[in-house]
Amino acid sequence: GQNIDQPTEMTATEGAIVQINCTYQTSGFNGLFWYQQHAGEAPTFLSYNVLDGLEEKGRFSSFLSRSKGYSYLLLKELQMKDSASYLCAALDSNYQLIWGAGTKLIIKP
Amino acid sequence: ETGVTQTPRHLVMGMTNKKSLKCEQHLGHNAMYWYKQSAKKPLELMFVYNFKEQTENNSVPSRFSPECPNSSHLFLHLHTLQPEDSALYLCASSQEGLGDYNEQFFGPGTRLTVL
Repeated sequence: GQNIDQPTEMTATEGAIVQINCTYQTSGFNGLFWYQQHAGEAPTFLSYNVLDGLEEKGRFSSFLSRSKGYSYLLLKELQMKDSASYLCAALDSNYQLIWGAGTKLIIKP
Repeated sequence: ETGVTQTPRHLVMGMTNKKSLKCEQHLGHNAMYWYKQSAKKPLELMFVYNFKEQTENNSVPSRFSPECPNSSHLFLHLHTLQPEDSALYLCASSQEGLGDYNEQFFGPGTRLTVL
């Protein structure tokens, strides 16, 4: 079956760095997405990786290793507003998104 | 604002009621989606419409009935729901092309409670 695994919850300190991991098992692979979802709000697109390596966008970076079925989202210089759930989703061979349950990130002062 | 709006934002209904959720996208996209989001569970894709044609129905119970009158509007008609249907219902849209994929833009969701 198809599956996405990511930690349920993580806690980090304001100003620090946090890495949220995601492993995936899908029938075929056409890329991996990260979304951010604040409580009571819509998920919003953060990043898309289809090739191995690191993609950097300001304070956020996303990494992909296709051979390992692994991705991570790296958040630097954490701010209180980064408290949210982070959703990992992989695109399978039918271009269907397979979603993880999300990682709730709690930022403490 | 993501360009996708949903109404109502909150809905409480009894098991015998009939209600409808509405979604509208202002992005000119050609694909729209309904998702169910339950606490601590992955997003569950319910229905996909591409160019107003339903292309996917992931074994959703018939008490959920989608309608897509045009490429900008999507409805989810609800009737005789069960308490376990209580969840956040998210609408999304994207611009689909041949062999490529663009990100989905989500609405804020409708928080549904079935009593």
